[in-house]
Amino acid sequence: DQQVKQNSPSLSVQEGRISILNCDYTNSMFDYFLWYKKYPAEGPTFLISISSIKDKNEDGRFTVFLNKSAKHLSLHIVPSQPGDSAVYFCAASFLGGQNFVFGPGTRLSVLP
Amino acid sequence: DAGITQSPRHKVTETGTPVTLRCHQTENHRYMYWYRQDPGHGLRLIHYSYGVKDTDKGEVSDGYSVSRSKTEDFLLTLESATSSQTSVYFCASRDRFSPLHFGNGTRLTVT
Repeated sequence: DQQVKQNSPSLSVQEGRISILNCDYTNSMFDYFLWYKKYPAEGPTFLISISSIKDKNEDGRFTVFLNKSAKHLSLHIVPSQPGDSAVYFCAASFLGGQNFVFGPGTRLSVLP
Repeated sequence: DAGITQSPRHKVTETGTPVTLRCHQTENHRYMYWYRQDPGHGLRLIHYSYGVKDTDKGEVSDGYSVSRSKTEDFLLTLESATSSQTSVYFCASRDRFSPLHFGNGTRLTVT
């Protein structure tokens, strides 16, 4: 039973447009959420995070939105670039906790 | 990224043999983790460590053991490898309030 779900295995977007990646979680005790990006043959790299006291966090082209009542978060990438093509993992934890639970990932393809 | 090195990067082994994967970090991070990545499952936690000689099980720990004798090194051992343990293994480390930083993975094939 997955506690963190990413229901879209893949997503294709045109270069310059917005990419929206979605993530749902089931454990209402999670209070810290992260997005990781992974290229083939490399380890995941940290992208952006948000704690449950916020509903939005921005870092350049990347924005994460958190809807606690819906147990849903999303990652927006604007504008999308071909170099953004990768697998994106959503992860959840308890702030100050030791364990991170990951979703199954969404493969983003940004088409030139 | 965060100075995490995994070895070997690729390994093929036979069913029933013991295998040890190594993780070395140079950031003096307290916490270290072993995950496996499989299609449709994302990253699943095998074991983690919250200090030297302090370890705990994750959600898929059966058939695996770990050891951490120094802050910088975290070993993952498959006691008797099975085909279901064919996977890509990632080591990660972090400080208490920082995100996980991952190594580049070890691709293990059990034949």
